[in-house]
Amino acid sequence: GAGVSQSPRYKVAKRGQDVALRCDPISGHVSLFWYQQALGQGPEFLTYFQNEAQLDKSGLPSDRFFAERPEGSVSTLKIQRTQQEDSAVYLCASSMQGVGTGELFFGEGSRLTVL
Amino acid sequence: SQKIEQNSEALNIQEGKTATLTCNYTNYSPAYLQWYRQDPGRGPVFLLLIRENEKEKRKERLKVTFDTTLKQSLFHITASQPADSATYLCALDMYRGTYKYIFGTGTRLKVLA
Repeated sequence: GAGVSQSPRYKVAKRGQDVALRCDPISGHVSLFWYQQALGQGPEFLTYFQNEAQLDKSGLPSDRFFAERPEGSVSTLKIQRTQQEDSAVYLCASSMQGVGTGELFFGEGSRLTVL
Repeated sequence: SQKIEQNSEALNIQEGKTATLTCNYTNYSPAYLQWYRQDPGRGPVFLLLIRENEKEKRKERLKVTFDTTLKQSLFHITASQPADSATYLCALDMYRGTYKYIFGTGTRLKVLA
């Protein structure tokens, strides 16, 4: 596609529900990132994939958070037993390469509200 | 603690003036520093990347400087326009030359007509 596509754009969940957020990166981009952005804050790193390999998941807040990219393209971020503190915008970004010279192309984000 | 600081308060400037935003960091030795623009409800959009051995980088009305001694980057928008109003984020590679970028909190810029 022309850009990074994320769905759903908005998700309201009751506390305790599971949610799945989808990211469709730019075709051919090797690297894929998930960031969490709270209101008024900068994006916080969650996890990084190079192709299908999850090379870094150090930013995932708890074991309720799980991400996958099984075929090296589309990625899903799953949050189990959602809590109110999980409310945030979840941004996906892709990049052609894994080194620092690669600009990140972000999607529009998925805004999660946990009631 | 390790962190990246940007002007936490909004910056209001008059149209036509130069806006200058700062990005200060501690406890990192980045090889690269990037600047992004973020509009409300949208994802960040890449603007410029500057390498540690580059003192200055320009792109149209944008200019970025990178002082590794001061651990600071300055981002300038000359001849500012109301359309430049947005939040500007700086980001650096947490581990030199690698994928892991961390972001500052951003500075909200408002250009007044």
